[in-house]
Amino acid sequence: GENVEQHPSTLSVQEGDSAVIKCTYSDSASNYFPWYKQELGKRPQLIIDIRSNVGEKKDQRIAVTLNKTAKHFSLHITETQPEDSAVYFCAAISGTYKYIFGTGTRLKVLA
Amino acid sequence: GAVVSQHPSWVICKSGTSVKIECRSLDFQATTMFWYRQFPKQSLMLMATSNEGSKATYEQGVEKDKFLINHASLTLSTLTVTSAHPEDSSFYICSAVDRGQETQYFGPGTRLLVL
Repeated sequence: GENVEQHPSTLSVQEGDSAVIKCTYSDSASNYFPWYKQELGKRPQLIIDIRSNVGEKKDQRIAVTLNKTAKHFSLHITETQPEDSAVYFCAAISGTYKYIFGTGTRLKVLA
Repeated sequence: GAVVSQHPSWVICKSGTSVKIECRSLDFQATTMFWYRQFPKQSLMLMATSNEGSKATYEQGVEKDKFLINHASLTLSTLTVTSAHPEDSSFYICSAVDRGQETQYFGPGTRLLVL
């Protein structure tokens, strides 16, 4: 079946440094790629998304890039802060509205 | 906008009982809702897709007679865990999609503990 691979599974960075999380998808028909942040015991929150007709999207300290040919997309967080610590999930849409989620990346920002 | 609520947030029940979880879209109409299950330190596992006015579509390996889904209106879907057992203990999260959109908005989740 379709799947999304996500790396790394854990990531520790110093406060102020950048963090990059990478995902690879298998469904060539996927055209929408959201990123979610989930704090412990809470709901996943959408932080940024990108559609397949765009190669890059930025929102303040967060950016997402998409390489359709390679079926890769990445989340970039600059100037990381302790409150960025959470689990981040990438997803690729498959079919009508259904998402295939990555396995998650536990980001820890060290003060 | 795009607020999804879920009730209850916590439930503890005895083995063999049934538990109903509600998912509501508060400020939009959701023709499609999803039910996920999440174990500690794991990703979200899709259980079923709930479409308003029609039968739910279950993922492979999910027992439809055990996890009953009803999507009776454009703002409400319910998941009933029938004859719950300890292995059903988990974090259950719903999501909803606004009509014509692609983004899923998640409820706060329901933590189920079956004793």
